[in-house]
This record gives sequence, C-alpha cells and structure tokens, in this order.
Amino acid sequence: DTGVSQDPRHKITKRGQNVTFRCDPISEHNRLYWYRQTLGQGPEFLTYFQNEAQLEKSRLLSDRFSAERPKGSFSTLEIQRTEQGDSAMYLCASSSDRGSYGYTFGSGTRLTVV
Amino acid sequence: AQSVTQLGSHVSVSEGALVLLRCNYSSSVPPYLFWYVQYPNQGLQLLLKYTSAATLVKGINGFEAEFKKSETSFHLTKPSAHMSDAAEYFCAVTPNQAGTALIFGKGTTLSVSS
Repeated sequence: DTGVSQDPRHKITKRGQNVTFRCDPISEHNRLYWYRQTLGQGPEFLTYFQNEAQLEKSRLLSDRFSAERPKGSFSTLEIQRTEQGDSAMYLCASSSDRGSYGYTFGSGTRLTVV
Repeated sequence: AQSVTQLGSHVSVSEGALVLLRCNYSSSVPPYLFWYVQYPNQGLQLLLKYTSAATLVKGINGFEAEFKKSETSFHLTKPSAHMSDAAEYFCAVTPNQAGTALIFGKGTTLSVSS
C-alpha cells in the first residue's frame, strides 16, 4: 500500500491553457474525492466517485472542470481554459465502504496559473 | 447542512505547554468528526476521528479530542507541545452516511516557540 499518489506535484501554466491532474487511490478503496485548497483556507469539496460513477459534484465545479474515473481505479481532473483564480492546491482522497471510516489524502498538485 | 467553525486562526504556545485547538460543528444528523494536520506543501494526515464510539478519542502524536454533543464541540488537545507540532490543523465533519464528503473548517495554524 503506497498511499494516495498525485501527479504532477506542481504545475505552472499560462492562462487559457488546459491542464490535467491524475490521482491514484489506495488500491482497495472504492471511493475517491477531489478537493481544492486555496491559501489560508481549508479544503473545499469538488467531486466524489464511487467506483467509476461520479455521484456528487459541488457548485464549485464549473463547466470548465471535468473529472473522470474510467475503470474505477485512477482518476483525472481536467481544467479547461485555466484562469488565475484556478491557482490552488488540488487534493485527492480515497476511502473504503468497508472497515474503518477514514479518508486518506494524497500530497496534492499545486497549480499556478500565470 | 454540515459546517465547522474553528475558533482562532492562529494559536501560539511554548514548547511543553498545553495545546488546545477549538472546533465547533453544526450538523442536522449525528456527525462523524475528524482532525487533520497539514505540513507546508503536503497533503493532510489524519490525527484522529470520532465515529460514534467512545467520546474521548486518542490519536497519533499524543493528541486527543473529546466529542461533546451538548456543546457541539470537538476540541483537540495535547498535554505538552513539541516543536514538531507546528503545522496547520483542520477539523472536519461529515454526516454518518457512507461516502459523503468531508466538510472542513478554515484551519488553525499552530506555532510552537522554544
């Protein structure tokens, strides 16, 4: 068990470009979550998958954001036409519906839009 | 809807002193409550969680928290602060339904001086 992995750790992009982040959850976890964290704030929920189904989306997830989890394993988060306001840390977490009730977070992807 | 209020965005203590970080929650259903710690440019690490078992919860690194339903509180304490405890601490709540996302507070920065 290597924990939750996120790639890349850092991304600098120009305004208007598209970016994609990847999250690999703990292998036996069937639930996966995306959060966004801006400086000085707590993480804000973006979206949630159970297996490959996207079950919940926050109002924060504008139409420029899309997330997928095609085979119920890894997930991708894409931001189209990035804006400076998208600059943030994007965190992924996973959990299981069996056993203890806990969420494991990855180290995050820090996005800077210039 | 669930929400979390962390009183005090910044707490400073001396090494060896008591650490008290405050968290109050709002929930229309019995909640699950969590404390996470975040070091700079890293993801969140679970300190402890309350999932309707014992009201006094012991976590890692000597931290503990007590669930007080009458006060809707879940304050985090540690008897003796260590320099390595300096970090950002987040309280989070979720209704005790499987799969629901965590709602975080804005966080409290703990500084420890020698």
